[in-house]
Amino acid sequence: GQQLNQSPQSMFIQEGEDVSMNCTSSSIFNTWLWYKQDPGEGPVLLIALYKAGELTSNGRLTAQFGITRKDSFLNISASIPSDVGIYFCAGQMYVNNDMRFGAGTRLTVKP
Amino acid sequence: DSGVTQTPKHLITATGQRVTLRCSPRSGDLSVYWYQQSLDQGLQFLIQYYNGEERAKGNILERFSAQQFPDLHSELNLSSLELGDSALYFCASSLQDRPTGELFFGEGSRLTVL
Repeated sequence: GQQLNQSPQSMFIQEGEDVSMNCTSSSIFNTWLWYKQDPGEGPVLLIALYKAGELTSNGRLTAQFGITRKDSFLNISASIPSDVGIYFCAGQMYVNNDMRFGAGTRLTVKP
Repeated sequence: DSGVTQTPKHLITATGQRVTLRCSPRSGDLSVYWYQQSLDQGLQFLIQYYNGEERAKGNILERFSAQQFPDLHSELNLSSLELGDSALYFCASSLQDRPTGELFFGEGSRLTVL
């Protein structure tokens, strides 16, 4: 199936540092999304990308839809303690109805 | 609050048993998705329903089944439970048949099989 490979699995950073994580696939996706899951909660959408090459920002978050449609990255600038959580990439293909998720990047921010 | 309601929040049962997880989608949403999240794992897509009809199937075991009712709530039935079925089960909803954008997730049902 259209497996999404997300890296890194986990990150331990100091408050104020920038963070970068990415997602790749052997399949082409028409939509890439990035979700964040806080402990005890369901994932919440951070950024949605709909066009190849698209670069979108949401506050300190920036994400890009790769030109090949097979990858995406998420950057978080000037991290703060509340950025702690699990970040998931997700991709959706028009030929399927489902949305597939990466394994997640667990982010820890040390004050 | 995403508007998606899942019950129960926690469930502890024994191997071989059967449980039913319930999901009420966001008001107006016609699609319901079920995902399984095992410890330190990503979200594994199980199944999707749109307006009462099954639309997509992922890695759902034959021991598991689901349905969406006329009032659009959905139930995920897990039978002949095994220890490995212990996980968080999430329901998500969206307005359209194809998830062209955001899925709204519930808080999950945590199943523990002893």
